[in-house]
Amino acid sequence: EAGVAQSPRYKIIEKRQSVAFWCNPISGHATLYWYQQILGQGPKLLIQFQNNGVVDDSQLPKDRFSAERLKGVDSTLKIQPAKLEDSAVYLCASSLVSENTGELFFGEGSRLTVL
Amino acid sequence: GENVEQHPSTLSVQEGDSAVIKCTYSDSASNYFPWYKQELGKGPQLIIDIRSNVGEKKDQRIAVTLNKTAKHFSLHITETQPEDSAVYFCAASCALYGNKLVFGAGTILRVKS
Repeated sequence: EAGVAQSPRYKIIEKRQSVAFWCNPISGHATLYWYQQILGQGPKLLIQFQNNGVVDDSQLPKDRFSAERLKGVDSTLKIQPAKLEDSAVYLCASSLVSENTGELFFGEGSRLTVL
Repeated sequence: GENVEQHPSTLSVQEGDSAVIKCTYSDSASNYFPWYKQELGKGPQLIIDIRSNVGEKKDQRIAVTLNKTAKHFSLHITETQPEDSAVYFCAASCALYGNKLVFGAGTILRVKS
């Protein structure tokens, strides 16, 4: 079974530039998550989708971050304009169940460096 | 909201010894406690989880214990092997906060051979 696919794996940009990350979840997983993992910290939830609807985006900095999940499958996370503090690994995860009391399957992440 | 604290931040053990990582949580309503292992350059992977109606769960060399009264849970790895070297994260979720998983800061485990 194919895992969660993410791209690009690495991205280096200047501050104030924009960047987009793409995620393809495991086939059949209705729930998709974007997490931000800053070096030395645990993952922090940015946004959770159930099919193509947003379940939780309370920790998404909406003035610069946006995410969409068209057709309830692939998702993109965009940052515009980027700040130095956005340097982190952006992890996409998916799960079969709609509640968080089940296994999350993570992709390998997209590492962003903002200079 | 929920807050999860994890310690130690780093742990070095000799191959074959046991390793214990501890986490505390703040909200007594939390009811699901997973542990994830993250190897270098990869995403976290679930290794074991426990729900609030169970006090202990074992899976081969790993076990998790939960003390609801004290609001803490621990990961125990016995007979450690070099391939156990990784970063381990605990997490907790609570229905009051939409079952959102809140992760601890992680523990870097090094198993020396």
